Amino acid sequence: DTEVTQTPKHLVMGMTNKKSLKCEQHMGHRAMYWYKQKAKKPPELMFVYSYEKLSINESVPSRFSPECPNSSLLNLHLHALQPEDSALYLCASSLPQGSRETQYFGPGTRLLVL
Amino acid sequence: AQSVTQLGSHVSVSEGALVLLRCNYSSSVPPYLFWYVQYPNQGLQLLLKYTTGATLVKGINGFEAEFKKSETSFHLTKPSAHMSDAAEYFCAVSDKGGGFKTIFGAGTRLFVKA
Repeated sequence: DTEVTQTPKHLVMGMTNKKSLKCEQHMGHRAMYWYKQKAKKPPELMFVYSYEKLSINESVPSRFSPECPNSSLLNLHLHALQPEDSALYLCASSLPQGSRETQYFGPGTRLLVL
Repeated sequence: AQSVTQLGSHVSVSEGALVLLRCNYSSSVPPYLFWYVQYPNQGLQLLLKYTTGATLVKGINGFEAEFKKSETSFHLTKPSAHMSDAAEYFCAVSDKGGGFKTIFGAGTRLFVKA
């Protein structure tokens, strides 16, 4: 099973809302990633977790808060977002960090901030 | 530092014609190279990858790519385009670096004309 699932598929939120994006994989991968993708652009790395520890934080604003409760789950908590944060948020997973193995992507959550 | 250049932000072919999407990379270490496809409003799907060994790599949906070290290229081809191939294609290289990062090219939008 090479599937990464993400919920919800679509999310509309106001600038004062708090919401969470969820990602799950059952491939035994120990590295999980959040990417942000704007229209007609490649994905931009936001965070990397390796063995449930935050490994890479690409200078993302604090209104985005990642959480890795266990090796299969990855959350992205959203608070006080701005309209420019509207994008497709992609989750991915791979074998342990540094192995350069393939990243498997979920279908994404389409976020609209009003 | 690793980088990926995709030549041509848009490529248009007729149905049944050869598809050629160009990718050049730079890497300070032997690269792992990937092609991903993204259909509208969906996540990224792995088409194929090169890690080591045979330089001609076959992927899903009839695509293949050839790793040419001397040309630092990893071009994607398909002998006969189908309407369903219309999508965004991303070439990517994995970055050993200080952590696991995949560097994406800017993407090439493939249009298929009937």
